[in-house]
Amino acid sequence: AQSVSQHNHHVILSEAASLELGCNYSYGGTVNLFWYVQYPGQHLQLLLKYFSGDPLVKGIKGFEAEFIKSKFSFNLRKPSVQWSDTAEYFCAVIEGFNNNDMRFGAGTRLTVKP
Amino acid sequence: DARVTQTPRHKVTEMGQEVTMRCQPILGHNTVFWYRQTMMQGLELLAYFRNRAPLDDSGMPKDRFSAEMPDATLATLKIQPSEPRDSAVYFCASASGTGGYEQYFGPGTRLTVT
Repeated sequence: AQSVSQHNHHVILSEAASLELGCNYSYGGTVNLFWYVQYPGQHLQLLLKYFSGDPLVKGIKGFEAEFIKSKFSFNLRKPSVQWSDTAEYFCAVIEGFNNNDMRFGAGTRLTVKP
Repeated sequence: DARVTQTPRHKVTEMGQEVTMRCQPILGHNTVFWYRQTMMQGLELLAYFRNRAPLDDSGMPKDRFSAEMPDATLATLKIQPSEPRDSAVYFCASASGTGGYEQYFGPGTRLTVT
């Protein structure tokens, strides 16, 4: 079965530091990849998505992610974090086509210190 | 700005009581999901519907949980009888198309069973 791994459970950074959150998945076929963000007390919001094409995907709020097929990875990056980026970040994967079964990683909690 | 809506936002009930949570998907979205989020288990997919038909409810405890879509604008998740271990945030999400697309999440219902 498909699994999604987010290795960092809690990341603490100072403002202006660079961010990279890891995401690995186990499915070897075609995948659609997503990063969602959940601000404290709120619902999940889509940050960015990858379906095909350029493996470097740019999302909202200055986030980007790179799909590396050979590594089964889809890491999330931001060059300079802000205090308002404090949130939980979820990587998610849908395998194949005609499939709505989105598998989520366990999430990474990001705390940005002012 | 189309959004998924959920009611109630908060529910506190006593063990053994029936709980009904409601979701209005984004107009035109044909796939609706129910998730449960807890600290211990993270995000779990409970069930999902496409064109109002249940496609997968394998994540749902069958003896006490039931999910329905009486019409295209309303999805319900019912727990009867409720138990303290059901305390969680329940999210509804909707998506369009036949598969592979991003899901749009509602604000969630925070359920506390005492």
